[in-house]
Order: sequence, then C-alpha cells, then structure tokens
Amino acid sequence: GQQLNQSPQSMFIQEGEDVSMNCTSSSIFNTWLWYKQDPGEGPVLLIALYKAGELTSNGRLTAQFGITRKDSFLNISASIPSDVGIYFCAGQGAQKLVFGQGTRLTINP
Amino acid sequence: GAGVSQSPRYKVAKRGQDVALRCDPISGHVSLFWYQQALGQGPEFLTYFQNEAQLDKSGLPSDRFFAERPEGSVSTLKIQRTQQEDSAVYLCASRMGTGASPLHFGNGTRLTVT
Repeated sequence: GQQLNQSPQSMFIQEGEDVSMNCTSSSIFNTWLWYKQDPGEGPVLLIALYKAGELTSNGRLTAQFGITRKDSFLNISASIPSDVGIYFCAGQGAQKLVFGQGTRLTINP
Repeated sequence: GAGVSQSPRYKVAKRGQDVALRCDPISGHVSLFWYQQALGQGPEFLTYFQNEAQLDKSGLPSDRFFAERPEGSVSTLKIQRTQQEDSAVYLCASRMGTGASPLHFGNGTRLTVT
C-alpha cells in the first residue's frame, strides 16, 4: 500500500540534543500529522497541521507543513528520556491517513 | 469510555482458523477506521466506516477480511482462514466527525498466526 517516505529510519542521540525528522510524498495532502507510538500501544497524536506553510509548536515539538503540501518535518528540542519511541508522519487526503515507515528514536543518557 | 478499546489484546490462531477482533470506539464518534501494522512498519489502511456505512474498504488485502459496524458504534474485523502473513497488529481508530477532527487510536490487537 501507499506509504510516505520518512527519514531517518532510526536515530541514536544523547539526552539534551535536538532531533529533526522529515517526511515526503509524491501526493498532495490536505493535512499532515505527527504521531508517537510506544511499545504495545497505539499511535498518539502530537501535532496536526492543516495549512500549507503552517508552522506549529507543542511544547518542545515544532512541525511544519511544506508549502508544496508534499512534505513535513518535525523537530524536537532538548530531548529527554521519555522522548524515546517511534515517530510516524501521516498525510490525510479526504478521510484516511497514509503513514510513513517511522523514525525510531533512541536516547543515550 | 475514555478511549478506543480493542479486544482481545493478543490472539494466537492456528493457520486456517477464523478470528474476530473487536473495537469499541469513543462514544459518539462517527468515523471508525481499521489499520494493519506489520512489525517495524507504519500502519496501513484497511477500511473506513461512517456510522454504520462502510464507505471505503479498498485496503482489505483479500476477501478473507471482512469488517462490520451494524449499529454505528462497535465494530468487528473478521479474518477467515487465517494465514501466516496475516500476523500483525490490528489498530482501530475513531474520530468525532469527518475530515479535520483528530483520529484517536486504540492499543491494537496483536494477531499471531502459527
């Protein structure tokens, strides 16, 4: 099935470092979303972006909806241990979400 | 309830058995989605309901997969004659309206076919 191209696939960083990940698509989406998934749980919504060019923050998280509507990035500043997990981007057309393959974030204390 | 509830959390089936996975969406949520998540991958769309109407089933991988939501609340995903490639986490999600409101996911059912 269709998936978005998300990179990097994995990141190993030190606590306190900033993190950046991005997502690209060959298709245009009306909405971009970023989710975090912890082991054994479902994805939890972090940030939703509804307008091309929009830059939105949620605490230490910042995400942008690309102007072409085909890409998005997520930044996490000053990472902490609870940021560990898998981050997914998702694009939404009319109803359903299309997900990226995920970025696995590991933090060394 | 407070969130989307799925049962069972874990299901082991022998190849060829039929399974039924249940989803209780957040009360009042109109839209309900089923996704399949293989190990190490992102969730992939299976099917979508608006109330009791199944509006999109384009992601169901074969005619062995069937979903229903007869009263517009609880939904069941049924897999007949399970195969090993059906092993995955099956996620249910719901949202209040259509379109812009956020999608809330359950914790999934992990299906293992032996």
